[in-house]
Amino acid sequence: QVQLEQSGAEVKKPGASVRVSCKASGYTFTSQHIHWVRQAPGQGLEWMAILTYDGGRRFYAQRFQGRLTMTRDTSTRTHYLELRSLSSEDTAVYFCVSETPDAYFFDYWGQGTPVTVSS
Amino acid sequence: QSALTQPASVSGSPGQSIIISCTGTSSDVGGYDHVSWYQHEPGKAPRLMIYDVSIRPSGVPNRFSGSKSGNTASLTISGLQTEDEGDFYCNSYTSRGTYVFGTGTKVTVL
Repeated sequence: QVQLEQSGAEVKKPGASVRVSCKASGYTFTSQHIHWVRQAPGQGLEWMAILTYDGGRRFYAQRFQGRLTMTRDTSTRTHYLELRSLSSEDTAVYFCVSETPDAYFFDYWGQGTPVTVSS
Repeated sequence: QSALTQPASVSGSPGQSIIISCTGTSSDVGGYDHVSWYQHEPGKAPRLMIYDVSIRPSGVPNRFSGSKSGNTASLTISGLQTEDEGDFYCNSYTSRGTYVFGTGTKVTVL
């Protein structure tokens, strides 16, 4: 059973950075693409980025180019999302999501990590 | 990349059919048959309802169906049931190798 276990809630000040982790289990770690999706309060789902299964390619939504970094640690089976230069508009629940390569849909979702940006 | 356009809300009585549209461009919806639909209830992970425009995953009731014409994809719920209430989002692969969600539609069963 695929499981994506995310880190806990974060509270950050404007201008700071946040790192959210996503620990994977139940599948071969290097066999799945990982996406990051967020949902701001009262807003819809927003796709942010994808790291391909082999760790070789990253694609970002244009609005996050330059301030978002995705990394992974294969030894601990953990994916990371780092978002910099936070503003109140980044207050949202952040989800990691898996995709089987060439499926083009989202398979399994983490439970979500609330991030609050407030002065 | 702008969000795909969905109606903010759609409602219907039990047993009726409703259609949710999802309009994009030739760089996303119109250019690829990689449109998927998700039902999202508060506090839960979104549930995949349709992928590749019209394929229904196992476990999804056959009253859910998908189609596409040009730059617009559609999700039809036939025989609406109370448990179908929730927010529905379309998603498409794009020519830039990225993905984009729709603006979301709140489905209400009257």
